[in-house]
This record gives sequence, structure tokens and C-alpha cells, in this order.
Amino acid sequence: SYVLTQPPSVSVAPGKTARITCGGSNIGVKSVHWYQQRPGQAPVLVIYDDSDRPSGIPERFSGSNSGNTATLTISRVEAGDEADFYCQVWDSTSDHRIFGGGTKLIV
Amino acid sequence: EVQLLESGGGLVQPGGSLRLSCAASGLTFSSYAMNWVRQAPGKGLEWVSSISDSGGIRYYADSVKGRFTISRDNSKNTLYLQMNSLRAEDSAVYYCAKEFYDLLTGYHNYFMDVWGKGTTVTVS
Repeated sequence: SYVLTQPPSVSVAPGKTARITCGGSNIGVKSVHWYQQRPGQAPVLVIYDDSDRPSGIPERFSGSNSGNTATLTISRVEAGDEADFYCQVWDSTSDHRIFGGGTKLIV
Repeated sequence: EVQLLESGGGLVQPGGSLRLSCAASGLTFSSYAMNWVRQAPGKGLEWVSSISDSGGIRYYADSVKGRFTISRDNSKNTLYLQMNSLRAEDSAVYYCAKEFYDLLTGYHNYFMDVWGKGTTVTVS
């Protein structure tokens, strides 16, 4: 089945830009979605369809997807952004929803 | 406001059964596909199962196929997960999550835009 690969952790200083990658075979042809999960809380959708933001999500969150890598970019990182981030796609061959292993953002 | 509230979690012995429920409010429940997603302690998210809006189409992760059954009662706005032959590795927080569908445009995509707070299942 389709596999998504994320780095276990990404460290960034406050005010800087964080980039979290999600690797998959030819992922650029798929729609990639991103979730933020703060400790002890349920996941929250932050990016859908590669680069669209749900209402209420700050413009600091953006996404891109090309080739074999999708990227979640968080600009002007704040302490409150510290969380686990997961990418997700739909695998059309199995109709399964696939999550990446998750990346811990350390601010 | 759309809300999802899971219940039914608890402690069960290996080989036992448990039925989870997810009560939905603030939405036309019968219009949306629904999912169960779980998270083992200290681990990442794992998709478990999906069910179509009518309940006629169901999908399962390989790890639970043949042991878990997803169902829904649209008259009660409730999603279910019947879990049989439970194993220690099924211990997790189980979330129900609504799949995206735009009622106005008919656009559907396979991401989850609303999540419940989860219910904890411990198999021991």
C-alpha cells in the first residue's frame, strides 16, 4: 500500500519559517492534507487539497506539492505552533486513507 | 456548530469485544461519509475504517479487516464501530471524523474536516 514518509521532528526558532515534508511515490498527483495535533487534543485540519486553508487557520500556514514531496510551511513560527503534524492522502487503488508517521514541530 | 462525541471506550480483555459510538450534531449526518481513526499511546494517527453516507460502502485497514465492523444509523445521527477479537495492539484513542463534502457544490474529497475528542480503548 501507499506509504507517506515524514521526518520525526523539525526544530525552528520563534519567528522563523518551519518546513515539514511528506514524501511519497509521485505524491504530486495526489491531493495532500495536513493536520495539527497539540498534546492531549484531537487533530485539526490546517491544509487541504495541497494548499488550501480552512477558515480560522492563520495565513502563516501554507502548503505545496510536487514530484515526490509535499511540504507544509509555517511562517513566523510561534510557541503555540508546537505540535505534531500529519500529512494524509487517499490511496485510489485501495480506497484507504493514508497518514504519514507524523512530525513533531519543536519551537 | 458541528460536533462529534465518541463513547463506548473502556478496558477489555484480549479476545473480547467492544462497540464504540459517535453521536453527531449540527449537521445533516446522512450527507457525509464518516471515518474512524485511532492513535496508540505515543504513536501516530492510523486510519481504521470509512463508511459512505448511506452506509452501503465500507472500507477497512488491513490491521482490522475481519475483526471490526463500521456501521451507521442515519435516523439516530450515530456512527458505530463494532470491535471483536480485540488484541493488545488495538489499544488506542479512537476518533470519529467527518469526511469533507460541500453540500452546495457537490465537491467531495477524502480528508477529515471535523473530529471528535476521542474515546480510549485499552485491551489488557
